[in-house]
Amino acid sequence: GAGVSQTPSNKVTEKGKYVELRCDPISGHTALYWYRQSLGQGPEFLIYFQGTGAADDSGLPNDRFFAVRPEGSVSTLKIQRTERGDSAVYLCASSLNGGLNSPLHFGNGTRLTVT
Amino acid sequence: GENVEQHPSTLSVQEGDSAVIKCTYSDSASNYFPWYKQELGKRPQLIIDIRSNVGEKKDQRIAVTLNKTAKHFSLHITETQPEDSAVYFCAATQNRDDKIIFGKGTRLHILP
Repeated sequence: GAGVSQTPSNKVTEKGKYVELRCDPISGHTALYWYRQSLGQGPEFLIYFQGTGAADDSGLPNDRFFAVRPEGSVSTLKIQRTERGDSAVYLCASSLNGGLNSPLHFGNGTRLTVT
Repeated sequence: GENVEQHPSTLSVQEGDSAVIKCTYSDSASNYFPWYKQELGKRPQLIIDIRSNVGEKKDQRIAVTLNKTAKHFSLHITETQPEDSAVYFCAATQNRDDKIIFGKGTRLHILP
């Protein structure tokens, strides 16, 4: 079946621009996560949704980052006034309902490059 | 919050030998410990996990052990094969907040 889909796969933008990254979770998965992975590092937690609401956004680095999931399915990660330090692979993952019995399924990520 | 430390950062083993990767965690309330494998340019994929009510779990050539008292857990791969070459991440989480925290990863090289 279809896995977690992320678009675009690659995004190059200039410093100061606004970008949106999209995640389509596995159908029926209520939990959705955004992670950021820099080269040679592990995934860094950004935000977790349960349904439409952000259950935990403690990983968002600053107020330039924002994420929404208005209908409890597709999610968009929004980055304003991008900086070169935002360059990374942004990974989205979903799980059936969060919790111990629902492993994460990752997408292929969006590679963001800020020039 | 939770902090997960992983070592070594790089590991090279001869094909057929065993590989061991170790992780420690800081929050004694953590109760779920998954391991992910990430091949070059691909997404992380779950390979095995263990819950805090179990001390060891095995799946074919892969096993994971957990020591709750010492707050550390380990991944063991036996009879290593070339396709085991990848980056492996350990992680920890608590059911109450579902925020999975990852270690920095171990790059495993299987030498011919």
